[in-house]
Amino acid sequence: DTGVSQNPRHKITKRGQNVTFRCDPISEHNRLYWYRQTLGQGPEFLTYFQNEAQLEKSRLLSDRFSAERPKGSFSTLEIQRTEQGDSAMYLCASSLVVGTVRNQPQHFGDGTRLSIL
Amino acid sequence: DAKTTQPTSMDCAEGRAANLPCNHSTISGNEYVYWYRQIHSQGPQYIIHGLKNNETNEMASLIITEDRKSSTLILPHATLRDTAVYYCIVRALYGGATNKLIFGTGTLLAVQP
Repeated sequence: DTGVSQNPRHKITKRGQNVTFRCDPISEHNRLYWYRQTLGQGPEFLTYFQNEAQLEKSRLLSDRFSAERPKGSFSTLEIQRTEQGDSAMYLCASSLVVGTVRNQPQHFGDGTRLSIL
Repeated sequence: DAKTTQPTSMDCAEGRAANLPCNHSTISGNEYVYWYRQIHSQGPQYIIHGLKNNETNEMASLIITEDRKSSTLILPHATLRDTAVYYCIVRALYGGATNKLIFGTGTLLAVQP
């Protein structure tokens, strides 16, 4: 399967700990997105990268959150000093944008479910 | 991005067509209509998208009204595996808003045996 891959699938940690998630996008895709989804709600946009550049961050992305895509391939999302409210599914998506053609769909991974004890 | 309105839930008998409506009355000329679905414990799955013409692929058909203010996703022969939350999203083709998808709460489609 050459879709978007996310690891780990599940993460349980104690409040105050740091956690890091990884996303491997579809190989030729130059855009990578992070979303967060809480129970009963649709996914909410957090941030996105064009190659290695982080071009937009949502107000949902507090100072405790940091995302990187160092070589324009895989990405990591780190949450420092986790809080109960960080419990959610963290989803990664990727897409290919070429020139002005921007209607190509985003393809999602199956997410990392974070539970804060 | 334009806001969408979908019914909270729908039922469909297995083997019958499932017709999922979406209202996007404030859609602008450069906004596409996208449909995704999310099966429990999985990420959203892309289904189909369109601008103004009807579209069909191996998963579904998308019917967009002439005034583009509403659309219908059609699953021609629903199976139990089609039970999922279906999201209708409008997304701009130009400008900063192209960078993200804005999800609502979608329609929970329950396919009944």
